[in-house]
Amino acid sequence: KAGVTQTPRYLIKTRGQQVTLSCSPISGHRSVSWYQQTPGQGLQFLFEYFSETQRNKGNFPGRFSGRQFSNSRSEMNVSTLELGDSALYLCASSSGVVQETQYFGPGTRLLVL
Amino acid sequence: AQKVTQAQTEISVVEKEDVTLDCVYETRDTTYYLFWYKQPPSGELVFLIRRNSFDEQNEISGRYSWNFQKSTSSFNFTITASQVVDSAVYFCALSESGRRALTFGSGTRLQVQP
Repeated sequence: KAGVTQTPRYLIKTRGQQVTLSCSPISGHRSVSWYQQTPGQGLQFLFEYFSETQRNKGNFPGRFSGRQFSNSRSEMNVSTLELGDSALYLCASSSGVVQETQYFGPGTRLLVL
Repeated sequence: AQKVTQAQTEISVVEKEDVTLDCVYETRDTTYYLFWYKQPPSGELVFLIRRNSFDEQNEISGRYSWNFQKSTSSFNFTITASQVVDSAVYFCALSESGRRALTFGSGTRLQVQP
């Protein structure tokens, strides 16, 4: 089976812009979670989608949003980018059964100038 | 609230040495799950092991072994006869019953010198 794929792998944006990141889960997986990794805050949970519905949400401002499509692919959007949004954004997929292992993609590295 | 502590920020060993990475967790749940992930320089988190709170058996997989002790809220990871390819950042993570969100520790950077 192919693993989790994320596009694009690298992005450079300027403050105030918005960005959309994409994640395709492992075939058959219905849950997609997003995490932000920064040197200062480490790995933090953003949100989780299952069957096109947001099931859990982390402690991030409303500028961070996401959605999931009927084929389980997910996108996350960050509006009005700030310098502090520079990070590695990781997507993880799992079968959808709670506490099942999450398998991560290679991440999208976002740099905000 | 749940918390995962990895007190060792960075460890450097010479190839073939054994090394133990510590993980201490806090949770009020009686049902929870613990994980270890490896993050090589490429950035992708690679799953290593998953353990639920009712299974305190230690596990060995090749050169890797895990020691889960509920009495001390610890889930330590030992690499036997380390190799240069083991160089990476290792993360311990916790998820509580009913929630998929993983709470990660701050990670331990392991450098294995040839």
